[in-house]
Amino acid sequence: GDSVTQMEGPVTLSEEAFLTINCTYTATGYPSLFWYVQYPGEGLQLLLKATKADDKGSNKGFEATYRKETTSFHLEKGSVQVSDSAVYFCALRDGSSNTGKLIFGQGTTLQVKP
Amino acid sequence: DGGITQSPKYLFRKEGQNVTLSCEQNLNHDAMYWYRQDPGQGLRLIYYSQIVNDFQKGDIAEGYSVSREKKESFPLTVTSAQKNPTAFYLCASSATTGHNSPLHFGNGTRLTVT
Repeated sequence: GDSVTQMEGPVTLSEEAFLTINCTYTATGYPSLFWYVQYPGEGLQLLLKATKADDKGSNKGFEATYRKETTSFHLEKGSVQVSDSAVYFCALRDGSSNTGKLIFGQGTTLQVKP
Repeated sequence: DGGITQSPKYLFRKEGQNVTLSCEQNLNHDAMYWYRQDPGQGLRLIYYSQIVNDFQKGDIAEGYSVSREKKESFPLTVTSAQKNPTAFYLCASSATTGHNSPLHFGNGTRLTVT
């Protein structure tokens, strides 16, 4: 079945450091890919998305490129801030499934220190 | 502002009692979903509904029930049959079940059963 694998956390960085959170996926169809962010005690917020191969999603300085050849969707940011501390989830939604359900990775906790 | 409202934010119940979690959306979305989140884990799908008066079991439906009598409402009942009900519950909706339509999440209900 479809699945998403994220790098394990926590990831601890100093402010202004470069961020990469790795995400790879397995899907039988042609999925769309998403990154969501969760702040403590809150629900998930959509951070960015990409719907086809080679698409780049971007938002708030974060970006990720849909790489079909490596089945990856790694999240990057050039300079992190303390306010970026949160849990990040990679997810896919497979168009061949009629459920429309989102399949999530385990989540990666990011801690940014001043 | 359009969005998804989950209530209450915190809920405490004694073992053996049924409890109903509320989810309301004013986004005019057709599809709605319930996910469960446990510490350090990704999100797991409990139930979903693609249209009014129709719903389907997700990956972990045992011990839960739902209804979809109105487009904007998708309440979740956690029954006494659910063996480990303490968790963070997230409701979501999307315009369609198409793969490029993102899910929008509420802020969650944290249920504690003792």
